[in-house]
Amino acid sequence: AQSVSQHNHHVILSEAASLELGCNYSYGGTVNLFWYVQYPGQHLQLLLKYFSGDPLVKGIKGFEAEFIKSKFSFNLRKPSVQWSDTAEYFCAVNQWRSYIPTFGRGTSLIVHP
Amino acid sequence: NAGVMQNPRHLVRRRGQEARLRCSPMKGHSHVYWYRQLPEEGLKFMVYLQKENIIDESGMPKERFSAEFPKEGPSILRIQQVVRGDSAAYFCASSPGENTGELFFGEGSRLTVL
Repeated sequence: AQSVSQHNHHVILSEAASLELGCNYSYGGTVNLFWYVQYPGQHLQLLLKYFSGDPLVKGIKGFEAEFIKSKFSFNLRKPSVQWSDTAEYFCAVNQWRSYIPTFGRGTSLIVHP
Repeated sequence: NAGVMQNPRHLVRRRGQEARLRCSPMKGHSHVYWYRQLPEEGLKFMVYLQKENIIDESGMPKERFSAEFPKEGPSILRIQQVVRGDSAAYFCASSPGENTGELFFGEGSRLTVL
């Protein structure tokens, strides 16, 4: 069965620090990749997605992610975090032509002002 | 994303009672998913439905849990004879059915079992 690993469960940063959250998956075939963000008390919303093409994907709010097929990874990055980035971040992977994406455990990010 | 509507947002039940959680998908979406979020465990898939059909319920506990998505009205996740371990946030998501894996989530229903 496919699995998605997010290695950093809790991350604490100061404003302006750089961020990288890891995401690895186990499926060897074609995949669609997603990062969702859940702000405190809110629903999950899409941050960015990768289906095909340029493996460096840019999303909302200055986030980007890079798909490295050889490493089965889709790490999320932001050069300079803000206090408002405090949230839970979920990586999700969908096997090609599957209808059911698998989510990682999530990473809780706290940014101190 | 205000498109996927879930209610109630918060539900408190005593052990042995029934919990019903409702989800109306985004307009134009015919596919509904239910996920459960437990502390430190992330989002766990429960069930995937289309109108009047359960497509995949591989993540549903075998007993006490059921789901439906009738021709008219919202999708309902029903938990009978709730136990404390059922306390969690239950998220509904919908998609237009293009099997890309992109989902649109509701704000969740938080169930607390006393």
